[in-house]
Amino acid sequence: AQSVAQPEDQVNVAEGNPLTVKCTYSVSGNPYLFWYVQYPNRGLQFLLKYITGDNLVKGSYGFEAEFNKSQTSFHLKKPSALVSDSALYFCAVRGPIYNQGGKLIFGQGTELSVKP
Amino acid sequence: KAGVTQTPRYLIKTRGQQVTLSCSPISGHRSVSWYQQTPGQGLQFLFEYFSETQRNKGNFPGRFSGRQFSNSRSEMNVSTLELGDSALYLCASSSGTSGFQGETQYFGPGTRLLVL
Repeated sequence: AQSVAQPEDQVNVAEGNPLTVKCTYSVSGNPYLFWYVQYPNRGLQFLLKYITGDNLVKGSYGFEAEFNKSQTSFHLKKPSALVSDSALYFCAVRGPIYNQGGKLIFGQGTELSVKP
Repeated sequence: KAGVTQTPRYLIKTRGQQVTLSCSPISGHRSVSWYQQTPGQGLQFLFEYFSETQRNKGNFPGRFSGRQFSNSRSEMNVSTLELGDSALYLCASSSGTSGFQGETQYFGPGTRLLVL
């Protein structure tokens, strides 16, 4: 069964420092992995996804993610954090396809706090 | 293109009542998925509709139902509301035509439901 784990409930980073938000996954078959961000009282905004190809995926707002098949990880990174990056981050894996559809299976979320 | 819209944004109901939430997908998108977000359970998949047909369903009781119209707009209904139904209900749309697991789902701002 597909599953996703985000081992850290909260990550604290100083502005200007690099940030990493961790995600590990378990899938049968090829992994289709996604990162979303949620600001307070808002829906989820898509950041990036891994389908196939390069292990380093670049996304919106300067974020990137590194896919590591041997470690079954898909960590989100940014070289220089901004205070405005403070939000709730979700990693997700696409569930099995039934009737050509497929739900997203989400991790529990990681609260990122960037201090000035 | 306009994004996914959801109405209403906020709703207060009492136990035993029923509620209908509405979602308009991105123009041209034919797949609509619904998710429930709570602090305790996180993000959980409710159901997915494509071309007016439910093609996936999550593990929720029969009090939760949905439908999709010919213009791809979708509604979800919760009957006999319980306190535990208080949550943020998120709608997501995707083109849905390819059955491709790497397809991105785009989320609306959500409807915040409070059951008293």
